[in-house]
Amino acid sequence: DGGITQSPKYLFRKEGQNVTLSCEQNLNHDAMYWYRQDPGQGLRLIYYSQIVNDFQKGDIAEGYSVSREKKESFPLTVTSAQKNPTAFYLCASSSHRGSGQPQHFGDGTRLSIL
Amino acid sequence: AQTVTQSQPEMSVQEAETVTLSCTYDTSENNYYLFWYKQPPSRQMILVIRQEAYKQQNATENRFSVNFQKAAKSFSLKISDSQLGDTAMYFCALVSYSGGGADGLTFGKGTHLIIQP
Repeated sequence: DGGITQSPKYLFRKEGQNVTLSCEQNLNHDAMYWYRQDPGQGLRLIYYSQIVNDFQKGDIAEGYSVSREKKESFPLTVTSAQKNPTAFYLCASSSHRGSGQPQHFGDGTRLSIL
Repeated sequence: AQTVTQSQPEMSVQEAETVTLSCTYDTSENNYYLFWYKQPPSRQMILVIRQEAYKQQNATENRFSVNFQKAAKSFSLKISDSQLGDTAMYFCALVSYSGGGADGLTFGKGTHLIIQP
């Protein structure tokens, strides 16, 4: 089955530590996205990538970094500069820039501070 | 900057009733799409319905339909014959296209819909 796989499902971060959230898709989608969801809130865009080796900052990129070395993969690193990382993180992908195709979402990663 | 506003934090209706969730938005782009996503307690994001801004006809998907008022920048979701499985958070979302690329979805804060038996 085609889909988006996020791992791990739960992640704990220690003070001063960088952690990386994995996102892999086998839908052959060009675009990939990372969103953050806080309790009682909608999703906010962190980073997105339309093609391999290119990505853009979203609304809340500070304290996060990404890479897009392969079409299928778009890992997100939560750096120690992100002072409030506790949230639910969702990865998404979509096909064909400019066509309004809906984004497909993974099952999410819940990140907490130890 | 574009914005999406959902003014109803929570709604509760009886099973089989019809319910309408409100959404207003703002964007300076002419080329955009609107979506309603459902997030059940499992926290999966599930697409409910999609509307192209250039289409005047309102989108429908089985029991789900929208009332798209472009001039008023309003995009409400109507759920007919509501079912217990419709209980979830519902998010209105907007994506605009400038320069040929999509900039990611802008979401409202959501409406928690509870269907009572």
